[in-house]
Amino acid sequence: GQQVMQIPQYQHVQEGEDFTTYCNSSTTLSNIQWYKQRPGGHPVFLIQLVKSGEVKKQKRLTFQFGEAKKNSSLHITATQTTDVGTYFCALPNDYKLSFGAGTTVTVRA
Amino acid sequence: DGGITQSPKYLFRKEGQNVTLSCEQNLNHDAMYWYRQDPGQGLRLIYYSQIVNDFQKGDIAEGYSVSREKKESFPLTVTSAQKNPTAFYLCASKTQGTGSQPQHFGDGTRLSIL
Repeated sequence: GQQVMQIPQYQHVQEGEDFTTYCNSSTTLSNIQWYKQRPGGHPVFLIQLVKSGEVKKQKRLTFQFGEAKKNSSLHITATQTTDVGTYFCALPNDYKLSFGAGTTVTVRA
Repeated sequence: DGGITQSPKYLFRKEGQNVTLSCEQNLNHDAMYWYRQDPGQGLRLIYYSQIVNDFQKGDIAEGYSVSREKKESFPLTVTSAQKNPTAFYLCASKTQGTGSQPQHFGDGTRLSIL
């Protein structure tokens, strides 16, 4: 099935700073989904990107789909303690999802 | 409220024992999934079912079994053949169709070896 590399694996951020996490695929993707899992919790769907070059915003979160539809990024502005957790990208694959390894975010107050 | 209920929240297994994890959904979703998550790692697909009385192996099905006798229920049995069962197990569901619909997850079951 399709494979995706997600980097970085860990991100330690000072509160108020920005950061970006990336998902890269060797193949062209039809679409990509992003999920967030809080510590001790379950993954929660954030967004789906479908179009080449698509950019979607949710408050301080900006999601982007690459022009070639082989990569995607999540940029968080002015990180807050509520942003703590693991962010996964996921590739639809027939009737399944293939999840990246995730970026685990910790925040220093 | 509609949602997915997993039980129990915590489960302990003895050597040589089979244990069954429950997953029930009232979202009227056709497709259901079981994932395994190990500490600091992503989600790996164990089994999935697109419709009642049908299911397929995922990437790590060995040592596990499932059934789908009702649309609402998709129990997972961790058999004694699974030698390293300690993990966080997540059940998910979504509407029918290809993979592009979002999946909704339960709160998970943490399984440990006694």
